[in-house]
This record gives sequence, structure tokens and C-alpha cells, in this order.
Amino acid sequence: EVQLVESGGGLVQPGGSLRVSCVVSGFRFSSYWMSWVRQAPGKGLEWVANINQDGSETKYVDSVRGRFTISRDNAKNSLYLQMNSLRAEDTAFYYCARCLCGDAGEGGFDPWGQGTLVTVSS
Amino acid sequence: SYVLTQPPSVSVAPGQTARITCGGNNIGSKSVHWYQQRPGQAPVLVVYDDSDRPSGIPERFSGSNSGNTATLTISRVEAGDEADYYCQVWDFGSNHWVFGGGTKLTVL
Repeated sequence: EVQLVESGGGLVQPGGSLRVSCVVSGFRFSSYWMSWVRQAPGKGLEWVANINQDGSETKYVDSVRGRFTISRDNAKNSLYLQMNSLRAEDTAFYYCARCLCGDAGEGGFDPWGQGTLVTVSS
Repeated sequence: SYVLTQPPSVSVAPGQTARITCGGNNIGSKSVHWYQQRPGQAPVLVVYDDSDRPSGIPERFSGSNSGNTATLTISRVEAGDEADYYCQVWDFGSNHWVFGGGTKLTVL
């Protein structure tokens, strides 16, 4: 069974840092692009970042570029999102997802983890 | 940046057909993916590449895409289909994945 399990969410002060993790099982992790998507409470989905199979290529939404870093450890079947200089507007559920990414945007994200809540507040 | 526009809400009676639209400039030239998100749960891919269904998704879910509008169609709607639905595309111009604002499907 394909599974993605996020962890590491919590309460952090504005300007602080946090790293969320995603451990996967049930598929060959090193063969897929991976993604982080967030959802503020009661709001819609927002793509945050993508990383390619060996970690050599990353993409970010403009609002987090320079503050967030996506990375992966294929030996540990793990995906990470290091979040620095956090702001109140970064408060959201953070989901990891396998990206069935084709060169022309084919495939979509499937499956998704259950999400981990990051709250930025003083 | 590329914008996807969805109606905030759609209502339909059980057994009827629900159509949820996703508007975007020349969206017919892109691959559109659709997600279902039930309350308190993670999103689930229900249609990818405009009209393909992942394994395990009922045939009642179908998609189409042409011109400036993509459509998710849910036939024979059931109470369990009540959820938020999101469309998604890859925007080559900005190198971003883009989601629509979401549509809340209410089963009357």
C-alpha cells in the first residue's frame, strides 16, 4: 500500500523556523518528483514546492522562495520542507504528495499524506 | 501568473448530474487534474490529464477540457460525493503548479 506520513508540525513564533518531514512507503520513492502543498484553515489549496528524483532540481511558489527549502533523502524514503523566517500567513496544513509529473504537466499529485499543521503565532 | 476560476458552490439533488467548471486562458491546451477533498481529509485525485481516472475512482467521475473551460462531471450524484473539488494545471510561463479556488459541492 502506498503511504505518505507527514510529521513535524507545531506552533512556532513569527520569524522562527520549523522542518516538516514526510516518510513514504509502498513505492519506489527515488523514481518520482515530490511536492509540498499547503492549505490555510478554511481556505483552498496552494502548491508550495517540487523536487525532482535526485534532488538536483527544485521549484517554489514565489511567496516562499528564499525562505523555504525542499529536500529529500532517497536512502531514508523521506521528503523535507525547511521553513525559515516564518510568517503568520504561512499558517496552514502542509501536505506532501507524489507528483506523477510529466514534462508537459501531465499526471497530477497522487497520493497525498494526511497533512501536518503548522501554526505561526506569538 | 496563470489563474484558474471555479464557481464557489454547486448544488445538486441525489441521482442527478453535477458539473463543476474550471476556467482559464486557453486551458484546453493544458492537462487538467481534479481533486476531491472531503471535510477533514486530504485531497484525492479523481481525474487526471483532462479525462482519465485513477484506479479505484468510480466511472461516475469524468472530465473534459476544451477552449477556455475544463469540466468535471459527476453522474448519479450520491451523498458521499459532497466535498470540495479543485482543478489544477502546470503553468509553463511561471514554472508553477496552479490550483483553482475550489468548488463546494452540496448534495441536496
